[in-house]
Amino acid sequence: EPEVTQTPSHQVTQMGQEVILRCVPISNHLYFYWYRQILGQKVEFLVSFYNNEISEKSEIFDDQFSVERPDGSNFTLKIRSTKLEDSAMYFCASSTPGSRDRNTEAFFGQGTRLTVV
Amino acid sequence: DQQVKQNSPSLSVQEGRISILNCDYTNSMFDYFLWYKKYPAEGPTFLISISSIKDKNEDGRFTVFLNKSAKHLSLHIVPSQPGDSAVYFCAARIYGGSQGNLIFGKGTKLSVKP
Repeated sequence: EPEVTQTPSHQVTQMGQEVILRCVPISNHLYFYWYRQILGQKVEFLVSFYNNEISEKSEIFDDQFSVERPDGSNFTLKIRSTKLEDSAMYFCASSTPGSRDRNTEAFFGQGTRLTVV
Repeated sequence: DQQVKQNSPSLSVQEGRISILNCDYTNSMFDYFLWYKKYPAEGPTFLISISSIKDKNEDGRFTVFLNKSAKHLSLHIVPSQPGDSAVYFCAARIYGGSQGNLIFGKGTKLSVKP
């Protein structure tokens, strides 16, 4: 069964450093997303990406965050200058296009645990 | 700002019995609701969904009920199995929002005892 894969599974970084989280979405999907889950809190939407541009982003997704699809398979989340409060589980997800009459679900990767020290 | 609320952080059920997980929401602009299951160290796995134009959707042992007037949905699992033990998240999407812009509840940890 096709799946979303994320690397690395765990990343430890020094505060102020840049970090890049990587994802390979399901191959025929066209919509890509990043979410995060701070320990003990709910899963929060960060950004959606379609047709090589951001289609929607949340208040959390500020100027220190960026996303990119550098090639035909990878989808990355970059955090430019990490802060302690960026420590969280980051989930990548993807989905197929849905019509008004056919909603589709997002498929999630297993997550990358980011620890900022 | 909890637009999607799962008021029970945990639920314990005996194997073979029915599990009922509840979710309340406040935003009347939600048009699509989903339930995800999550095991430790894994990402959320899609279980079942329901459009706001329906009041029930069934898939095998899983049934989701939507009561729009009460802004309430529930997930029924029957019969419950030990492998169903996981955290269950209710999620909702705002009409007109991107497909993946989901607002999640905090989750309910279901324990199914043999």
